[in-house]
Amino acid sequence: GAVVSQHPSRVICKSGTSVKIECRSLDFQATTMFWYRQFPKQSLMLMATSNEGSKATYEQGVEKDKFLINHASLTLSTLTVTSAHPEDSSFYICSAPQTGGSTEAFFGQGTRLTVV
Amino acid sequence: DAKTTQPNSMESNEEEPVHLPCNHSTISGTDYIHWYRQLPSQGPEYVIHGLTSNVNNRMASLAIAEDRKSSTLILHRATLRDAAVYYCILRGPSGYALNFGKGTSLLVTP
Repeated sequence: GAVVSQHPSRVICKSGTSVKIECRSLDFQATTMFWYRQFPKQSLMLMATSNEGSKATYEQGVEKDKFLINHASLTLSTLTVTSAHPEDSSFYICSAPQTGGSTEAFFGQGTRLTVV
Repeated sequence: DAKTTQPNSMESNEEEPVHLPCNHSTISGTDYIHWYRQLPSQGPEYVIHGLTSNVNNRMASLAIAEDRKSSTLILHRATLRDAAVYYCILRGPSGYALNFGKGTSLLVTP
């Protein structure tokens, strides 16, 4: 089946620095990718929708200037957490679903971000 | 997407069948019923999905009520590796992002 690869799997960074997370669809083209965030003991929360060739759309309450999303090609979307702070520490997950409710969605392995 | 209701947690013995229920009383006629699971520290993994008829695959079976207001994910023989949070999600025909609820945390004991 289709595979979505997310990198890195875990990263530790200092407060105030930026971190980039990559999400690749390995054997299919994804015009749309989704970024989720998951805090401990909680469910996944949609952060933003990444659209190839256009601006990302962000969910209410998500700062677009802090979480920069770039969807440069049909197989790659990146999420950059800028000026990271400890409260940004979380599990970030990307998804590249195929279109339509009759098809399954594919998820990356997730990135554990720890800001110290 | 319509909302689903699942028990917070369930427990099963290893090698026993597990029935994970999901209520979705406000499901529309075009909503697909999807199940995903998330193992600790991993991204969600697709399990199964269906529309009206029961479905079987190598991982599980999905039993859908005749009125489609509820469904049950069946793991025929639970293993320790099946311990995860299981999410029941409704997805419209053109829907993209999945709306994750709290899911059911399945504990499998030896």
